[in-house]
Amino acid sequence: KQEVTQIPAALSVPEGENLVLNCSFTDSAIYNLQWFRQDPGKGLTSLLLIQSSQREQTSGRLNASLDKSSGRSTLYIAASQPGDSATYLCAVLTGANSKLTFGKGITLSVRP
Amino acid sequence: GAGVSQSPSNKVTEKGKDVELRCDPISGHTALYWYRQSLGQGLEFLIYFQGNSAPDKSGLPSDRFSAERTGGSVSTLTIQRTQQEDSAVYLCASSLESGLAPETQYFGPGTRLLVL
Repeated sequence: KQEVTQIPAALSVPEGENLVLNCSFTDSAIYNLQWFRQDPGKGLTSLLLIQSSQREQTSGRLNASLDKSSGRSTLYIAASQPGDSATYLCAVLTGANSKLTFGKGITLSVRP
Repeated sequence: GAGVSQSPSNKVTEKGKDVELRCDPISGHTALYWYRQSLGQGLEFLIYFQGNSAPDKSGLPSDRFSAERTGGSVSTLTIQRTQQEDSAVYLCASSLESGLAPETQYFGPGTRLLVL
């Protein structure tokens, strides 16, 4: 059974800091990995999707890497801003039914 | 608006009542998913519809939960005889399954269900 872990559960940093959010998964036989953002009371917004054959994806200040063999992914946020404050969820897609398995998320607070 | 929509946005019900939650996927998306987000539990998969194939119901927690998708578009998740532990945010997602590689899932805003 696929399990996704995100540690720590919460993180508080000052504005401008570069930061790394970690995600690990137990079954390396994945199709892809996605990072999502969730604002309080809102749905999920997809940030980056990395296919299993890829090593990283970049979008603006965000860079996500994938090491499938070791079951790890990182989301790098450059020059963090208060508007980046949200919960960041990592999810892997395993199996033919396209089911996403989610971590419990990291709640990020960026202090002005 | 071309995103996934869900209704109602909030639902408060009494224990033992039935509830229906609705999801309108993005037009043209053949795959539709229901997930549940409980406090402290994270997001868990409930059910998956793909085209005309039989749905994958492996994530439904009990036989009180059922879902259907009519005409390959709108989906309804029904919870019968609701219990307090059913209180959660129910999220719907859709994707364009090309058959080549799994595509990005786009999520709706969710329905917040509170069972008193």
